[in-house]
Amino acid sequence: DARVTQTPRDKVTEMGQEVTMRCQPILGHNTVFWYRQTMMQGLELLAYFRNRAPLDDSGMPKDRFSAEMPDATLATLKIQPSEPRDSAVYFCASGLNIESPIFGQGTRLTVV
Amino acid sequence: AQSVTQPDIHITVSEGASLELRCNYSYGATPYLFWYVQSPGQGLQLLLKYFSGDTLVQGIKGFEAEFKRSQSSFNLRKPSVHWSDAAEYFCAVGLTSGTYKYIFGTGTRLKVLA
Repeated sequence: DARVTQTPRDKVTEMGQEVTMRCQPILGHNTVFWYRQTMMQGLELLAYFRNRAPLDDSGMPKDRFSAEMPDATLATLKIQPSEPRDSAVYFCASGLNIESPIFGQGTRLTVV
Repeated sequence: AQSVTQPDIHITVSEGASLELRCNYSYGATPYLFWYVQSPGQGLQLLLKYFSGDTLVQGIKGFEAEFKRSQSSFNLRKPSVHWSDAAEYFCAVGLTSGTYKYIFGTGTRLKVLA
């Protein structure tokens, strides 16, 4: 089965450190999404790309978060500097046009 | 503004009982509708989807959902719940305005009693 691969699965870091999360979308998919899941807010869309171009990153705190797709096989989400309130599970999902996105296993981030 | 509401945060049912999880959406156009399931520590897995056509859609694991345009609802059902169905369930709307954004509800956590 094709799957979306996210690394790392777990990350513990100190406040102020840079965090980079990576996502390998399914080959052939042209949309990539980054979601953040917390108990309080549920699933929040942070950013998404179509054909590697960012279409919407309005859900992302611009001062510390950045999302890129350097090539079709890699999407990255970076937080610099990280803060304790960034602790959450970050999901990447990929899809083909309007087809339902397929989710990765997530990266659990803990900022202490 | 587009939104998805899952009014039940927690639901508990006995194994073998029927299940219905509610989902209401707000969207000006015809939406694409989805149900996902999330087991602890896992990503979201697609259960079923509605794009058009028959308003009763069948999914995996014995689940089905019915789209009711007049009620802006897309409720998930299962006639007989198994203990392995305990998980969190998310309803989602795919916006059809060309942006391909998906908006998720806050989820319903299902507990199954043996």
